[in-house]
Amino acid sequence: EPEVTQTPSHQVTQMGQEVILRCVPISNHLYFYWYRQILGQKVEFLVSFYNNEISEKSEIFDDQFSVERPDGSNFTLKIRSTKLEDSAMYFCASSTDRGGEQYFGPGTRLTVT
Amino acid sequence: AQSVTQLDSQVPVFEEAPVELRCNYSSSVSVYLFWYVQYPNQGLQLLLKYLSGSTLVKGINGFEAEFNKSQTSFHLRKPSVHISDTAEYFCAVSSSQGGSEKLVFGKGTKLTVNP
Repeated sequence: EPEVTQTPSHQVTQMGQEVILRCVPISNHLYFYWYRQILGQKVEFLVSFYNNEISEKSEIFDDQFSVERPDGSNFTLKIRSTKLEDSAMYFCASSTDRGGEQYFGPGTRLTVT
Repeated sequence: AQSVTQLDSQVPVFEEAPVELRCNYSSSVSVYLFWYVQYPNQGLQLLLKYLSGSTLVKGINGFEAEFNKSQTSFHLRKPSVHISDTAEYFCAVSSSQGGSEKLVFGKGTKLTVNP
């Protein structure tokens, strides 16, 4: 069964450093998403991406964040200058339809020290 | 804007007992509804979804949920739980009327099944 994959599973970085979280969505999916879950809190939407552009973003997704689909398979989330409060589990998801079922990857745990 | 309330943060039950995890939502537009499960140290797996049609939805692992539009609820039920059902369960909603496709999640309910 096709699945969304994410690398790395765990990333430790120092405050102020740039990080890139990588995702490979399911191959025939057209809509891509990033969510995050701070420890003990709810899963929060960050951004959605369709047709090579951002279709929606939350207030969390400020200028420090960017997304890219550099080739036909990868979907990346970049945080330019990490802060302590960026420590969270980051989930990538993809779907075939707008508003339909979203398939989630296993997540990348980002720890900012 | 949508919001989701999961009234119970933790639900302990004994094995083979029935369980209901409650979910209420608020939305100014019609919605799609989802339940996701997160096992320890894993990602989110879809249990079931309501898009349209029958209000009683059956999902994987013997779970089912009923959409009640008048009460804006989508409670998750299982008649007899197993130890392996121990996990965190998230209710989520998205708009069915175009525009935003993001999922809005509740805070989650930790289900602990005891022997």
